[in-house]
Amino acid sequence: EVQLLESGGGLVQPGESLRLSCAASGFTFSNYVMGWVRQAPGKGLEWVSAILGRGGTTYYADSVKGRFTISRDNSKNTLYLQMNSLGAEDTALYYCAKVHDYGRPFDVWGQGILVTVSS
Amino acid sequence: DIQMTQSPSSLSASAGDRVTITCRASQSVSNYLNWYQQKPGKAPKLLIYAASNLQSGVPSRFSGSGSGTEFTLTITSLQPEDFAIYYCQQSYSNSGFTFGPGTKVDVK
Repeated sequence: EVQLLESGGGLVQPGESLRLSCAASGFTFSNYVMGWVRQAPGKGLEWVSAILGRGGTTYYADSVKGRFTISRDNSKNTLYLQMNSLGAEDTALYYCAKVHDYGRPFDVWGQGILVTVSS
Repeated sequence: DIQMTQSPSSLSASAGDRVTITCRASQSVSNYLNWYQQKPGKAPKLLIYAASNLQSGVPSRFSGSGSGTEFTLTITSLQPEDFAIYYCQQSYSNSGFTFGPGTKVDVK
């Protein structure tokens, strides 16, 4: 069964850092583009970042560029999101998602992990 | 960046109704347009990819059409389990795979 499981969320203070992890199983992880999508409480979906299968190329939303870093360890089938200089606007449920080859939709999603930034 | 809009933002419908949601992109996204369904407390679920391709396991009452800048999601004969929020998303631009703001489908 294809599965994504996020971890690493929690409550942090403004300006602090947090690293999210996403453990993948059930598919050949290194073959696929992976990404992060977030959803602030009561709001819509916001694409955050993506990384190609071999990990060399990364993409970021303007709202997180320079603060967040996406990476992956294909030997561990794990995707990461390093989040620095967090602000209240980063409070959200963060989803890890796999990108399908054709058309590049997110075809598999994790259950989401909550990040709360508050003093 | 490519901006996505959806209309309507919400609609009320009854079981058995035909529902159409429109998604527009600020510039052409070719057919790199996807539709998702999200229910409360759940992760989004992919319904349609590449504008008109039905994701495996999704009922055939869902269909998608369009290309370029205008797309539609149609649900023929709405079922009780279809009341949810629907999002479109463009996956054309590597600068950001932006989502639309969502369309809430609720019970009339």
